[in-house]
Amino acid sequence: DVKVTQSSRYLVKRTGEKVFLECVQDMDHENMFWYRQDPGLGLRLIYFSYDVKMKEKGDIPEGYSVSREKKERFSLILESASTNQTSMYLCASSPVLGPQPDTQYFGPGTRLTVL
Amino acid sequence: KNEVEQSPQNLTAQEGEFITINCSYSVGISALHWLQQHPGGGIVSLFMLSSGKKKHGRLIATINIQEKHSSLHITASHPRDSAVYICAVRDNFGNEKLTFGTGTRLTIIP
Repeated sequence: DVKVTQSSRYLVKRTGEKVFLECVQDMDHENMFWYRQDPGLGLRLIYFSYDVKMKEKGDIPEGYSVSREKKERFSLILESASTNQTSMYLCASSPVLGPQPDTQYFGPGTRLTVL
Repeated sequence: KNEVEQSPQNLTAQEGEFITINCSYSVGISALHWLQQHPGGGIVSLFMLSSGKKKHGRLIATINIQEKHSSLHITASHPRDSAVYICAVRDNFGNEKLTFGTGTRLTIIP
């Protein structure tokens, strides 16, 4: 089974802090994604990566950056956390080839609260 | 950018009822996904469709490409089906990005 893990289920940070959210997948998937999920807005793509050291902005990249130094790990960085970044953050990965290409496998989510 | 709308937003039904959740989108797509999210956050992919119909157990997903519409049906619903069901579409432009609907919250009462 594909496993996508995220470093924390719950996180509380203060305004202005630098925040790192880590995501690791164990199925050698090429694509990895970071989303945030807010009530009434659904999932919105922050960034995605289609290869090591490659990244592309999603719909709401402002205030975020990402890092993909190894294929299995995709990190989301909040350079200076703000209260409007309080949200549920979900990581996903997907293969390019295979029996279910493009099917995204999600991590359990990190609920981040910025005070 | 594709606009994805789901209906209803909330649905409460008795155990055993036949459930239908609808998804419509505005621009041609290469694939449509149905996802399930249980309380606590974890999201599971149920189906990926590009045409026709797929069935898995009590779940059936259909898509009508001409009408830009998909439905997810649950037969003999059970309280464990209570979850948020999310529709997502991949556009025709060859990228891997999905556009998501806001979800349908389903509650099945015993």
